[in-house]
Amino acid sequence: DVKVTQSSRYLVKRTGEKVFLECVQDMDHENMFWYRQDPGLGLRLIYFSYDVKMKEKGDIPEGYSVSREKKERFSLILESASTNQTSMYLCASNPGYRLAGLYNEQFFGPGTRLTVL
Amino acid sequence: QKEVEQDPGPLSVPEGAIVSLNCTYSNSAFQYFMWYRQYSRKGPELLMYTYSSGNKEDGRFTAQVDKSSKYISLFIRDSQPSDSATYLCAMSPPISGGYNKLIFGAGTRLAVHP
Repeated sequence: DVKVTQSSRYLVKRTGEKVFLECVQDMDHENMFWYRQDPGLGLRLIYFSYDVKMKEKGDIPEGYSVSREKKERFSLILESASTNQTSMYLCASNPGYRLAGLYNEQFFGPGTRLTVL
Repeated sequence: QKEVEQDPGPLSVPEGAIVSLNCTYSNSAFQYFMWYRQYSRKGPELLMYTYSSGNKEDGRFTAQVDKSSKYISLFIRDSQPSDSATYLCAMSPPISGGYNKLIFGAGTRLAVHP
C-alpha cells in the first residue's frame, strides 16, 4: 500500500515566519508534487520534482521553494509566510515513467491545513 | 479560460438517486482522464481512470469520456450517504520529458442525504 505522509495536519504561523512542510513517500516513487487547494480553485501545482535535487516550477511557485535531498522526501518552504498563503497543502507522488509507463496516477497525503495570521 | 472547468456545486441528492458529475476541458491533447474522491479532511484518492474516449464501469460508478465534445462524466448509481465527498476530475496529455502533470478541476462537493 502506497503511503504518503505529511509532517503536520494543522499548522498556525505568523506573517513573516519561515515555514517548512515535509512530505515522505515509502514506495520509491520518482515524482513528487506539492499542491495547494482553495475553495473554488481546485488543486493548483506549486512545484514538482522528478528526481533527487531536481525541481520544476508549477503554476503558482511565487513565494515558495522546495527541496528534495532524498528520493523519499520532498519539502515545501515558505520563505516569509503571508496571509494569502493560508490554504490546504497537499503532497503527492507517482511512480514515474520508468516504473509505471504511461500510468500516471498520483497518490496523495492527508494534507496540511496552514493558517497564517 | 481554465483548461478544465468543473461546477463546484454543492450538489445535494437523496439516497438512491443517480448522480451525474461533469467536467469540460479545452486541451484536445488530453488523453488520460481520472476521477478522484476526497473525503473531508483527507487527501484525494483515485476512483476511476480512463484512457481516451469511451465508458468504464466499476460497481456503481461509470466514467464516460467524449473527446469530440471535450466532456467527461462520472455517474454514480444508487448513491449512498458514504458517497458524500468532493469529486475532482483530472486529466493529462501524453507524457512529456519522462514525467507528467495532472490538471485538476475545481472539484464538485456532493452530499447524499438519507
